[in-house]
Amino acid sequence: ETGVTQSPTHLIKTRGQQVTLRCSSQSGHNTVSWYQQALGQGPQFIFQYYREEENGRGNFPPRFSGLQFPNYSSELNVNALELDDSALYLCASSPMEGSYNEQFFGPGTRLTVL
Amino acid sequence: DAKTTQPTSMDCAEGRAANLPCNHSTISGNEYVYWYRQIHSQGPQYIIHGLKNNETNEMASLIITEDRKSSTLILPHATLRDTAVYYCIVRTRGSSNTGKLIFGQGTTLQVKP
Repeated sequence: ETGVTQSPTHLIKTRGQQVTLRCSSQSGHNTVSWYQQALGQGPQFIFQYYREEENGRGNFPPRFSGLQFPNYSSELNVNALELDDSALYLCASSPMEGSYNEQFFGPGTRLTVL
Repeated sequence: DAKTTQPTSMDCAEGRAANLPCNHSTISGNEYVYWYRQIHSQGPQYIIHGLKNNETNEMASLIITEDRKSSTLILPHATLRDTAVYYCIVRTRGSSNTGKLIFGQGTTLQVKP
């Protein structure tokens, strides 16, 4: 069984640029959530996707957007990058919406904005 | 979702039991207690969850008080690889936030030789 994978591992961008991060869900999981983790902080929920639709969003501006594909993989897009967007971005998948099943996290993408 | 309070850091000797407390005094009847941990530079890892009964799995035990206002995660024989940040999370059911986990600062557990 393949776990959650994310790409790239590390990324460096400059302020104002746009970035796309990718996530492949664990096999059989149809729900994907994205989190942002600033240095020294706990992860913060960005949004969740279920059946290719956004299904819940945290306190993040619209320049954070996402997609989920029919194979349940997902992308996180961030436009107009700001210095404070520098963080570890985590993707998590789970088997179904509304369940109490645990979420399985990927290793994350470290984004640095200069 | 109810808020949780955890100590910032704890130490534990290798081979001894690590007992990590969590307060969740505003927990409601349909909220579960979840524990995750995050080893340095990795994604969080699910450990265990429970509603009101004590739970045990191959990683840990979860003891929830009868009034459900606090819980303790027990790692029975801590190893150096258990050094991590441990997060206690209270999660509610809801169609708009089913995947949403609210992480606090967590407890940094340092297992020492």
